Amino acid sequence: GAGVSQSPSNKVTEKGKDVELRCDPISGHTALYWYRQSLGQGLEFLIYFQGNSAPDKSGLPSDRFSAERTGGSVSTLTIQRTQQEDSAVYLCASSLTRTGNYGYTFGSGTRLTVV
Amino acid sequence: GQQVMQIPQYQHVQEGEDFTTYCNSSTTLSNIQWYKQRPGGHPVFLIQLVKSGEVKKQKRLTFQFGEAKKNSSLHITATQTTDVGTYFCAPGAGSYQLTFGKGTKLSVIP
Repeated sequence: GAGVSQSPSNKVTEKGKDVELRCDPISGHTALYWYRQSLGQGLEFLIYFQGNSAPDKSGLPSDRFSAERTGGSVSTLTIQRTQQEDSAVYLCASSLTRTGNYGYTFGSGTRLTVV
Repeated sequence: GQQVMQIPQYQHVQEGEDFTTYCNSSTTLSNIQWYKQRPGGHPVFLIQLVKSGEVKKQKRLTFQFGEAKKNSSLHITATQTTDVGTYFCAPGAGSYQLTFGKGTKLSVIP
């Protein structure tokens, strides 16, 4: 597609439920990243995928968070047993190269609210 | 990832005034990127600086990379209301984990 597509744009879930967030990167972009942005805060790195290499999961805040990328394209971020502190905007970005030399293109994000 | 500090955290300016945000690192950076996030929006890539002492301009925006490649700045001349948003710097390359500064939130008073 022309840009990075994320769905849903908004998600309200009850505490303890599982949620899945989807990211469809720009076609041809080999690198894909997930970030989290709490209200009025900066961006917190979560996970990085590059081609067929093992993902860098060093930013995942707990084992309730997991992500996969199928076929080197679409990625899904799963949060199990959601907590209120998981409420944030989850942003996906993709880049043409491993080092993002041409910048990262972000999606519009998924606003997750845990009630 | 490499850590950077951005200052100021907030800046309120009268429309037409200039604005500068600074990004500082304790270690030498291989390059640095700048992003703008409008209120309610997502970060948008502005530019990447690679060379020591590099200066790049985009209309009213001037980006600089320090000689020691440890700091960078973004200067906006004669701010307009369309400049409102949060400006983030991010050290890039050498580490694919792009770490963002906490950003400078710019408010422009018309």
